Parts: sequence; C-alpha cells; structure tokens
Amino acid sequence: GQNIDQPTEMTATEGAIVQINCTYQTSGFNGLFWYQQHAGEAPTFLSYNVLDGLEEKGRFSSFLSRSKGYSYLLLKELQMKDSASYLCAVRTTSGTYKYIFGTGTRLKVLA
Amino acid sequence: ETGVTQSPTHLIKTRGQQVTLRCSSQSGHNTVSWYQQALGQGPQFIFQYYREEENGRGNFPPRFSGLQFPNYSSELNVNALELDDSALYLCASSLVPGDPSYNEQFFGPGTRLTVL
Repeated sequence: GQNIDQPTEMTATEGAIVQINCTYQTSGFNGLFWYQQHAGEAPTFLSYNVLDGLEEKGRFSSFLSRSKGYSYLLLKELQMKDSASYLCAVRTTSGTYKYIFGTGTRLKVLA
Repeated sequence: ETGVTQSPTHLIKTRGQQVTLRCSSQSGHNTVSWYQQALGQGPQFIFQYYREEENGRGNFPPRFSGLQFPNYSSELNVNALELDDSALYLCASSLVPGDPSYNEQFFGPGTRLTVL
C-alpha cells in the first residue's frame, strides 16, 4: 500500500533548530512536498524535492533520500509563529497524478 | 492578483442530501485539486482537474464528482451525503503540469461541511 509516516507532535524552544522526519512507501514517486498549516487555516507551501539532496529556503530546509523513502524538514532559529502543523506529502503518478499526505506533525514552540 | 477563494465558508446538510462546493482558482492557474481534511488529519486527495478534464483521482467513491470550467473555476459535488463526509474541503490551484512552478499549490480557505 501507500503510506506516509511522521511524528504526531514535537516541542522545541524559541531560537532552537528542529528536524521533522517523514518516511514514505509509495509507487510512482513524483516529488515530495512540505506544507505548513496553522490551526483553522489552509496549508501553505514550504518546499518541494524530487531529486536527492538538500533544498534550502531561508530558515527552512528540506532533504530527500529516494532510496530510503525518507525526507526531513529542518527549521532554524525557531520563532513562536512557527507553532503549526507540518504536513509531508508525496505526489505519485501511475498514468495520473495522486497526492498522499501524512497526518501532520504538530510543532509547539515554547518561549 | 487574487488568491484562491471558496464558497460557502460553512454548510450544514443532512444525510442523503447532495452538496455543491465552489472554488475560484488563483489568476493564471489552470490546474485545480480538491481535498478532504478531517479534524486532526492530513488532507486526503479527492481529484485533480486540468483543462476541464480529470487527470488524477484518490480513493473516493463515484458519488464525489467534479467539474472545471473554462474560466478555471471548479465545483466539487457530493451525492448521497454520509455522516463521515463531515470535514473541511479544500481546493488548491497551480500552474500547468510540467511548468517549474506547477509544484507550488495554493490552497483556498476551505468549506467546512457538517452532515447531520
């Protein structure tokens, strides 16, 4: 079957670094996405990886290893506003497109 | 440039009824995806439309259907509503598949559907 796993909750301190892991088992891999979703709001796009390696965008970085079915999102210099759910999603294609989301990791940033 | 909009914001229906949810894509976007998000869960992919044709579908029964119009607005129709259909329904628009910016989906604020 197709499956995405990520931790349910994480807690970190303001100013620290946190790494949110995501493992996936899918067929027809066509890219991995990270989204941020604040409570009661729509998801917003953070990053996209389709090749192995690290993509850096400001305080956020995302890493992908396709052979291991593994990705992580790295958040540096944590701010209170980073408290949100972080969703890992994989796009698959077996003729047509399909998106599979994990259940999300709820991150709490403490002062 | 306007963002993705959805209507209505909230909706209450009873079991067995039919519902139509609407989405207006971000300007210039001709690909739209619909998702169902239950409380505390990640979004579940329903389907994707490109140029008025369905080009991707998740594991949802046929009573979930969609339309995309020439102006790139779209609808999600759900027939024979069940209690488990209660969720937040999100649409997301993006550029054409294959375009480098295609990978960035812009989500609308969602429609909260409650089925009693």
